Amino acid sequence: KAGVTQTPRYLIKTRGQQVTLSCSPISGHRSVSWYQQTPGQGLQFLFEYFSETQRNKGNFPGRFSGRQFSNSRSEMNVSTLELGDSALYLCASSPQLNTGELFFGEGSRLTVL
Amino acid sequence: SQQGEEDPQALSIQEGENATMNCSYKTSINNLQWYRQNSGRGLVHLILIRSNEREKHSGRLRVTLDTSKKSSSLLITASRAADTASYFCATGGLETSGSRLTFGEGTQLTVNP
Repeated sequence: KAGVTQTPRYLIKTRGQQVTLSCSPISGHRSVSWYQQTPGQGLQFLFEYFSETQRNKGNFPGRFSGRQFSNSRSEMNVSTLELGDSALYLCASSPQLNTGELFFGEGSRLTVL
Repeated sequence: SQQGEEDPQALSIQEGENATMNCSYKTSINNLQWYRQNSGRGLVHLILIRSNEREKHSGRLRVTLDTSKKSSSLLITASRAADTASYFCATGGLETSGSRLTFGEGTQLTVNP
């Protein structure tokens, strides 16, 4: 069974631009969540989607958004990029909500110049 | 902000020795999980312990949970160079739904051959 796939793995953007990151969960997994990892703030929860609906949202500004498609694939978008958005963005999937264990992808490394 | 703290922040040991990492958290939890992260990669789930459990084993891993002290420990026995990684505890709270986890700051473990 293929794992969680995130694309792109690396990208460089400049301030003010926007970026879209993609996540394909493990086949059969319906819950997808996103985390931001930075050296200063550590791992922080962004949001979670289940059945195309946002179920949870972390404390991030409205520039951070996401969506989930009917095949459970998910995208997250960050608009008007700031230097502080440079981070490793991790996607995780699980079969259902509240199943405990999360299966993470390798992440998308975003650098904002 | 992070749920809690991990102690120590960094640990360096020799192959064959045991490694113990501690995690404290602040709120009531449903479960506590431990994850491993190799440098710049995704997180790998190691073990989950529920709030009504006190100890759990998986291979060379032993996890304890003390809900009265809001703390957990991860013991890796007979460590190997391949165990070199960052280790994070993560909690699923009582009041949060879905798969939202709150991560600790992590312990960087180095196992020297």
